[in-house]
Amino acid sequence: DTAVSQTPKYLVTQMGNDKSIKCEQNLGHDTMYWYKQDSKKFLKIMFSYNNKELIINETVPNRFSPKSPDKAHLNLHINSLELGDSAVYFCASSQGESPNSPLHFGNGTRLTVT
Amino acid sequence: AQSVTQLGSHVSVSEGALVLLRCNYSSSVPPYLFWYVQYPNQGLQLLLKYTSAATLVKGINGFEAEFKKSETSFHLTKPSAHMSDAAEYFCAVSGGGTYKYIFGTGTRLKVLA
Repeated sequence: DTAVSQTPKYLVTQMGNDKSIKCEQNLGHDTMYWYKQDSKKFLKIMFSYNNKELIINETVPNRFSPKSPDKAHLNLHINSLELGDSAVYFCASSQGESPNSPLHFGNGTRLTVT
Repeated sequence: AQSVTQLGSHVSVSEGALVLLRCNYSSSVPPYLFWYVQYPNQGLQLLLKYTSAATLVKGINGFEAEFKKSETSFHLTKPSAHMSDAAEYFCAVSGGGTYKYIFGTGTRLKVLA
C-alpha cells in the first residue's frame, strides 16, 4: 500500500494554463505539506496544513492555492503557469505538529511548463 | 533562524569504503536533526533522526550519525559503501517554534565499483 500518493506523476503543460496536483495519505497523519524541488535539488516548503487548517504559507505566488478537503487529502492548484514553475512538487505528511515527527514523502510530480 | 549546510554537493567512494557525508547546522534552540535519502525519481525517505535521546543515532541500511553540539555537526557515516547506496542525501533541521523543516542542499553519493 502506498502511504503518500500523488497524481499525476508527470505533468507537461503550456504557459498560462491552470493545473492541479492531488495528494492523498493513508497513514492517518494530521499534517500535510507541499514542497517544491528545483532543478538543483533544493527543497523548499510551500504550504502546510494541520487537520485541514493552513499553518504554514511561505512566500509563494497567489497563483498557487492549496486545498485540503479532509486531513487525508491536500491538493495543489496552480493558475496561469509560468516557465519558472517547472520543478518537482512533493507532497508529504507527518503525525501532528511536533517538530520531531519525520516527514513521509510521495514520489513527486514532475511539472514541465513549456 | 535555523539552517543546515551540507559540505560537498558530490561525494564519490569505492564500494566497500567508508561513507562520510557532512552536515553542519545552526539553531538557536535545541534542534531536531534528520537525514533523508532520495533515490532517482522517488520521494525522500527517512534514514535516521536525532531527538536528543542519544548522540549516536543508528538508522536504516547500516547508516548512522553522531550529534556533536560543540561542532554543531550531524555527519552521516556508513562503514562500507554498497552500490545500492548511490543516491541523493539530505540533512534537515526542525524545531524552534515554527514547525517546518529546513533542508540542506543535498549531497549526491556515487559508489564506484
